[in-house]
Amino acid sequence: QVQLAESEGGVVQPGKSLRLSCAASGFILSGYGMVWVRQAPGKGPEWVALTSHDGTRKNYADSVKGRFNISRDNSKNEMYLQMNDLRAEDTAVYYCAKTYLKKCSGSSCLQSAFDHWGQGAPVTVSS
Amino acid sequence: QSVLTQPPSVSGAPGQRITISCTGSRSNIGIGYDVHWYQQIPGTTPKLLIYDNNNRPSGVPARFSGSRSGTSASLAITGLQAEDEADYFCQSYDSNLSGVVFGGGTRLTVL
Repeated sequence: QVQLAESEGGVVQPGKSLRLSCAASGFILSGYGMVWVRQAPGKGPEWVALTSHDGTRKNYADSVKGRFNISRDNSKNEMYLQMNDLRAEDTAVYYCAKTYLKKCSGSSCLQSAFDHWGQGAPVTVSS
Repeated sequence: QSVLTQPPSVSGAPGQRITISCTGSRSNIGIGYDVHWYQQIPGTTPKLLIYDNNNRPSGVPARFSGSRSGTSASLAITGLQAEDEADYFCQSYDSNLSGVVFGGGTRLTVL
């Protein structure tokens, strides 16, 4: 069955960097868009970034644009989130999820539901 | 402040019907973008409950249904059960933000 597993998060000082990975199994990764969604304690989810099924198109929330980079390696069945210049407000549990729509790109991916989620990676930004 | 507005909490007795609203604007739900709903039991991962306004993934009971009208959407749960106690979130796309937007979530308490 479909499984998504994030790498461990961690505690990072403000201004530092952290890279999360998401290992996919049980489906053909190259067939689907993938997203990162975060959730701060006691808050609703916040979409962070999306990559199209082939990695050629990427979209970011304004709150992370210029600081975060989403990428994927379909040959390794993995997706990544490189987070730079981390701030206290980036503290959250980070989930990777796959789009319900196949081979979506751009706005069609952004309109898709996300039908499978990982278990989440907690990230704390604190000095 | 979330772009999509949900009531913070709703409650109902076992067997009752409840609805959870998700209010947007003309740049998201009102322009026709689909709405999706998730259930999150505290401490667990969000689970897709309804996609494309009114479709249930396999395995989701028919007690759960969704609808969309104008700038709002609703999730209805009939025959309320204790296991339905959870947080519920709506999701859509916003053309002004060019991105995915979520509601702030509604905590359902089964009395």
